[in-house]
Amino acid sequence: GENVEQHPSTLSVQEGDSAVIKCTYSDSASNYFPWYKQELGKGPQLIIDIRSNVGEKKDQRIAVTLNKTAKHFSLHITETQPEDSAVYFCAARTSYDKVIFGPGTSLSVIP
Amino acid sequence: NAGVTQTPKFQVLKTGQSMTLQCAQDMNHEYMSWYRQDPGMGLRLIHYSVGAGITDQGEVPNGYNVSRSTTEDFPLRLLSAAPSQTSVYFCASSSSSVTEQFFGPGTRLTVL
Repeated sequence: GENVEQHPSTLSVQEGDSAVIKCTYSDSASNYFPWYKQELGKGPQLIIDIRSNVGEKKDQRIAVTLNKTAKHFSLHITETQPEDSAVYFCAARTSYDKVIFGPGTSLSVIP
Repeated sequence: NAGVTQTPKFQVLKTGQSMTLQCAQDMNHEYMSWYRQDPGMGLRLIHYSVGAGITDQGEVPNGYNVSRSTTEDFPLRLLSAAPSQTSVYFCASSSSSVTEQFFGPGTRLTVL
């Protein structure tokens, strides 16, 4: 069945350093890949997304890359700040309109 | 706009009881979904709907029913609650499956 894997499960970086989170998906028909940030006690919120016809997308300090051949995509956060500390989820829109999430990455930015 | 609203925020059930988690959105979104969130397992899709009158199963549908009689509402029914259904439940809505999903605040359910 459809599956989205995500690594690492926890990530700790110094303030100002970069953070990278990687995801792989199993359904080759997937064509939409959003990333969500979840703060404690709240629902997830979209931070960036990418469609299958694009290889890279950037929004200020956040960028996402997509490799359709290898079926993996990555989130890059540069110049990390303490407020970037949260749980990050990747997701993939698979066949039959399902949006499947990865297990999440808990990011800690140390001041 | 209120966005996506969920009720109740907290609920405690006994094994075997049934209940309905309510979800409503006022953004005229066609696509709605239910997820459960458990530690270390991320968000798992329970059921989803691409429009009024249409529902389909997600990754973990067993023990749950849904209906979509209107565009605005997408209730989730637990038929006979089990301790394994203790979780945080999130409802989400979006224009389609390839656009941003807006999540509700969640319902924390405990089954004793």
